[in-house]
Amino acid sequence: GENVEQHPSTLSVQEGDSAVIKCTYSDSASNYFPWYKQELGKGPQLIIDIRSNVGEKKDQRIAVTLNKTAKHFSLHITETQPEDSAVYFCAASKRADKLIFGTGTRLQVFP
Amino acid sequence: DAGVTQSPTHLIKTRGQQVTLRCSPKSGHDTVSWYQQALGQGPQFIFQYYEEEERQRGNFPDRFSGHQFPNYSSELNVNALLLGDSALYLCASRTGLDTQYFGPGTRLTVL
Repeated sequence: GENVEQHPSTLSVQEGDSAVIKCTYSDSASNYFPWYKQELGKGPQLIIDIRSNVGEKKDQRIAVTLNKTAKHFSLHITETQPEDSAVYFCAASKRADKLIFGTGTRLQVFP
Repeated sequence: DAGVTQSPTHLIKTRGQQVTLRCSPKSGHDTVSWYQQALGQGPQFIFQYYEEEERQRGNFPDRFSGHQFPNYSSELNVNALLLGDSALYLCASRTGLDTQYFGPGTRLTVL
Protein backbone atom coordinates (compact mmCIF):
# COMPACT_ATOMS: atom_id res chain seq x y z
CA GLY A 1 0.00 0.00 0.00
CA GLU A 2 0.88 3.66 0.05
CA ASN A 3 3.68 4.44 2.46
CA VAL A 4 6.01 7.32 3.32
CA GLU A 5 9.18 6.71 5.30
CA GLN A 6 10.85 9.62 7.08
CA HIS A 7 14.33 9.92 8.61
CA PRO A 8 15.71 10.76 11.06
CA SER A 9 13.13 10.51 13.83
CA THR A 10 15.05 13.04 15.93
CA LEU A 11 17.58 15.68 14.91
CA SER A 12 19.56 18.01 17.14
CA VAL A 13 21.55 20.89 15.69
CA GLN A 14 23.33 23.99 16.92
CA GLU A 15 21.77 27.33 16.11
CA GLY A 16 23.04 28.51 12.73
CA ASP A 17 23.70 25.00 11.41
CA SER A 18 21.71 23.34 8.64
CA ALA A 19 19.15 20.57 9.10
CA VAL A 20 18.14 17.97 6.53
CA ILE A 21 15.15 15.62 6.74
CA LYS A 22 14.62 12.89 4.15
CA CYS A 23 11.52 11.05 2.98
CA THR A 24 10.87 8.17 0.61
CA TYR A 25 7.47 7.39 -0.91
CA SER A 26 6.21 4.14 -2.35
CA ASP A 27 3.50 5.16 -4.82
CA SER A 28 5.11 6.30 -8.06
CA ALA A 29 1.84 8.05 -9.00
CA SER A 30 2.31 10.58 -6.17
CA ASN A 31 2.71 14.09 -7.56
CA TYR A 32 2.37 16.46 -4.62
CA PHE A 33 4.75 16.66 -1.63
CA PRO A 34 4.06 19.11 1.21
CA TRP A 35 6.02 19.62 4.41
CA TYR A 36 4.31 20.54 7.65
CA LYS A 37 5.66 21.91 10.93
CA GLN A 38 3.79 20.99 14.08
CA GLU A 39 4.41 22.72 17.38
CA LEU A 40 3.26 21.26 20.68
CA GLY A 41 -0.50 21.40 21.08
CA LYS A 42 -1.09 22.81 17.60
CA GLY A 43 -2.18 21.54 14.21
CA PRO A 44 0.27 21.01 11.33
CA GLN A 45 1.31 24.22 9.56
CA LEU A 46 2.31 24.07 5.91
CA ILE A 47 5.83 25.42 5.42
CA ILE A 48 6.59 24.48 1.82
CA ASP A 49 5.32 22.15 -0.89
CA ILE A 50 6.51 20.88 -4.25
CA ARG A 51 4.83 19.27 -7.23
CA SER A 52 6.32 16.52 -9.34
CA ASN A 53 7.03 18.77 -12.32
CA VAL A 54 9.56 20.71 -10.23
CA GLY A 55 12.88 19.39 -8.90
CA GLU A 56 13.60 22.03 -6.29
CA LYS A 57 11.83 24.88 -4.54
CA LYS A 58 13.18 27.44 -2.11
CA ASP A 59 11.55 29.89 0.28
CA GLN A 60 14.04 31.96 2.29
CA ARG A 61 15.80 29.54 4.67
CA ILE A 62 13.74 26.52 3.61
CA ALA A 63 14.21 24.40 0.49
CA VAL A 64 12.77 21.14 -0.76
CA THR A 65 14.26 18.83 -3.37
CA LEU A 66 12.55 16.01 -5.24
CA ASN A 67 14.07 13.00 -7.01
CA LYS A 68 11.18 11.27 -8.80
CA THR A 69 13.34 8.44 -10.11
CA ALA A 70 14.46 7.44 -6.63
CA LYS A 71 11.12 8.48 -5.07
CA HIS A 72 12.98 10.63 -2.54
CA PHE A 73 12.31 14.16 -1.34
CA SER A 74 14.12 16.20 1.28
CA LEU A 75 13.65 19.30 3.42
CA HIS A 76 16.63 21.58 3.97
CA ILE A 77 16.61 24.29 6.64
CA THR A 78 19.60 26.62 6.66
CA GLU A 79 20.72 29.00 9.41
CA THR A 80 18.52 27.24 11.95
CA GLN A 81 17.03 29.22 14.82
CA PRO A 82 15.59 28.06 18.17
CA GLU A 83 12.08 28.83 16.89
CA ASP A 84 12.60 26.18 14.20
CA SER A 85 12.34 23.55 16.96
CA ALA A 86 9.23 21.46 16.30
CA VAL A 87 8.08 18.19 14.74
CA TYR A 88 8.28 18.17 10.95
CA PHE A 89 6.16 15.88 8.77
CA CYS A 90 6.56 15.09 5.11
CA ALA A 91 3.59 13.88 3.10
CA ALA A 92 2.80 12.60 -0.37
CA SER A 93 -0.36 12.60 -2.43
CA LYS A 94 -1.58 11.75 -5.90
CA ARG A 95 -3.52 15.00 -5.79
CA ALA A 96 -3.73 17.76 -3.21
CA ASP A 97 -5.79 15.55 -0.93
CA LYS A 98 -5.63 12.26 0.97
CA LEU A 99 -2.19 13.05 2.27
CA ILE A 100 -0.02 10.10 3.30
CA PHE A 101 2.22 11.32 6.12
CA GLY A 102 5.63 10.23 7.29
CA THR A 103 6.23 9.41 10.94
CA GLY A 104 7.72 12.80 11.78
CA THR A 105 11.10 14.26 12.75
CA ARG A 106 11.58 16.04 16.05
CA LEU A 107 14.02 18.89 15.40
CA GLN A 108 15.76 20.57 18.33
CA VAL A 109 17.84 23.68 17.72
CA PHE A 110 20.13 24.53 20.60
CA PRO A 111 21.17 28.17 21.12
CA ASP B 1 -9.30 35.98 7.30
CA ALA B 2 -10.01 33.16 9.75
CA GLY B 3 -8.24 29.91 9.18
CA VAL B 4 -9.65 26.46 9.86
CA THR B 5 -11.39 26.33 13.22
CA GLN B 6 -12.35 23.28 15.27
CA SER B 7 -14.41 22.68 18.38
CA PRO B 8 -14.17 21.65 21.07
CA THR B 9 -10.48 21.95 21.91
CA HIS B 10 -10.47 19.05 24.33
CA LEU B 11 -12.96 16.30 25.08
CA ILE B 12 -13.06 13.44 27.57
CA LYS B 13 -15.40 10.50 27.02
CA THR B 14 -15.77 6.97 28.35
CA ARG B 15 -15.72 3.75 26.39
CA GLY B 16 -18.94 3.04 24.50
CA GLN B 17 -20.01 6.68 24.29
CA GLN B 18 -20.48 8.68 21.13
CA VAL B 19 -18.75 11.95 20.20
CA THR B 20 -19.24 14.71 17.63
CA LEU B 21 -16.42 17.01 16.56
CA ARG B 22 -16.91 20.15 14.49
CA CYS B 23 -14.91 21.97 11.84
CA SER B 24 -15.31 25.25 9.98
CA PRO B 25 -13.14 25.47 6.87
CA LYS B 26 -10.97 28.38 5.84
CA SER B 27 -12.91 31.08 4.00
CA GLY B 28 -13.35 30.17 0.34
CA HIS B 29 -12.64 26.47 0.88
CA ASP B 30 -15.25 23.87 -0.05
CA THR B 31 -13.52 20.55 0.67
CA VAL B 32 -12.97 19.21 4.18
CA SER B 33 -10.84 16.25 5.21
CA TRP B 34 -10.51 14.64 8.63
CA TYR B 35 -7.37 13.04 10.02
CA GLN B 36 -6.60 11.11 13.21
CA GLN B 37 -3.21 11.68 14.83
CA ALA B 38 -2.21 9.27 17.58
CA LEU B 39 0.47 10.40 20.00
CA GLY B 40 3.91 10.40 18.39
CA GLN B 41 2.62 9.50 14.93
CA GLY B 42 1.76 11.23 11.69
CA PRO B 43 -1.86 12.06 10.83
CA GLN B 44 -3.93 9.26 9.26
CA PHE B 45 -6.62 10.11 6.69
CA ILE B 46 -10.17 9.29 7.81
CA PHE B 47 -12.38 10.73 5.04
CA GLN B 48 -13.03 13.72 2.83
CA TYR B 49 -16.23 15.66 2.14
CA TYR B 50 -17.09 17.72 -0.91
CA GLU B 51 -20.52 18.96 -1.98
CA GLU B 52 -21.98 17.39 1.17
CA GLU B 53 -20.89 13.90 0.15
CA GLU B 54 -18.14 11.59 1.35
CA ARG B 55 -15.71 11.40 -1.58
CA GLN B 56 -12.83 9.37 -0.19
CA ARG B 57 -12.39 7.19 2.86
CA GLY B 58 -9.34 5.84 4.60
CA ASN B 59 -9.00 2.59 6.49
CA PHE B 60 -11.36 3.42 9.35
CA PRO B 61 -14.38 1.40 10.55
CA ASP B 62 -18.00 2.44 10.04
CA ARG B 63 -18.04 3.74 13.63
CA PHE B 64 -16.48 6.83 12.09
CA SER B 65 -18.96 8.88 10.10
CA GLY B 66 -19.25 12.45 8.99
CA HIS B 67 -21.36 15.13 7.50
CA GLN B 68 -20.85 18.32 5.53
CA PHE B 69 -23.33 21.18 5.67
CA PRO B 70 -24.31 23.62 2.88
CA ASN B 71 -21.98 26.25 4.39
CA TYR B 72 -19.09 23.72 3.96
CA SER B 73 -18.64 23.15 7.69
CA SER B 74 -18.30 19.54 8.75
CA GLU B 75 -18.81 17.14 11.63
CA LEU B 76 -17.00 13.97 12.55
CA ASN B 77 -18.96 11.42 14.57
CA VAL B 78 -17.47 8.44 16.34
CA ASN B 79 -19.76 5.81 17.89
CA ALA B 80 -19.01 3.11 20.46
CA LEU B 81 -15.75 4.75 21.50
CA LEU B 82 -12.74 2.56 22.21
CA LEU B 83 -9.66 3.39 24.24
CA GLY B 84 -7.70 3.33 20.96
CA ASP B 85 -9.77 6.21 19.60
CA SER B 86 -7.88 8.57 21.92
CA ALA B 87 -6.04 10.92 19.59
CA LEU B 88 -5.82 14.40 18.14
CA TYR B 89 -8.47 14.80 15.44
CA LEU B 90 -7.50 17.24 12.73
CA CYS B 91 -9.63 18.92 10.13
CA ALA B 92 -8.10 20.23 6.91
CA SER B 93 -9.71 22.31 4.19
CA ARG B 94 -8.90 23.27 0.60
CA THR B 95 -10.51 24.36 -2.62
CA GLY B 96 -9.92 22.63 -5.93
CA LEU B 97 -6.56 20.90 -5.98
CA ASP B 98 -5.02 23.59 -3.82
CA THR B 99 -3.01 23.13 -0.67
CA GLN B 100 -4.65 21.72 2.46
CA TYR B 101 -4.65 23.85 5.59
CA PHE B 102 -5.10 22.25 8.98
CA GLY B 103 -6.99 23.40 12.03
CA PRO B 104 -5.64 23.22 15.60
CA GLY B 105 -7.34 19.89 16.26
CA THR B 106 -9.57 18.40 18.94
CA ARG B 107 -7.84 16.31 21.59
CA LEU B 108 -10.10 13.33 22.40
CA THR B 109 -9.39 11.23 25.46
CA VAL B 110 -11.34 7.99 25.96
CA LEU B 111 -11.29 6.55 29.48
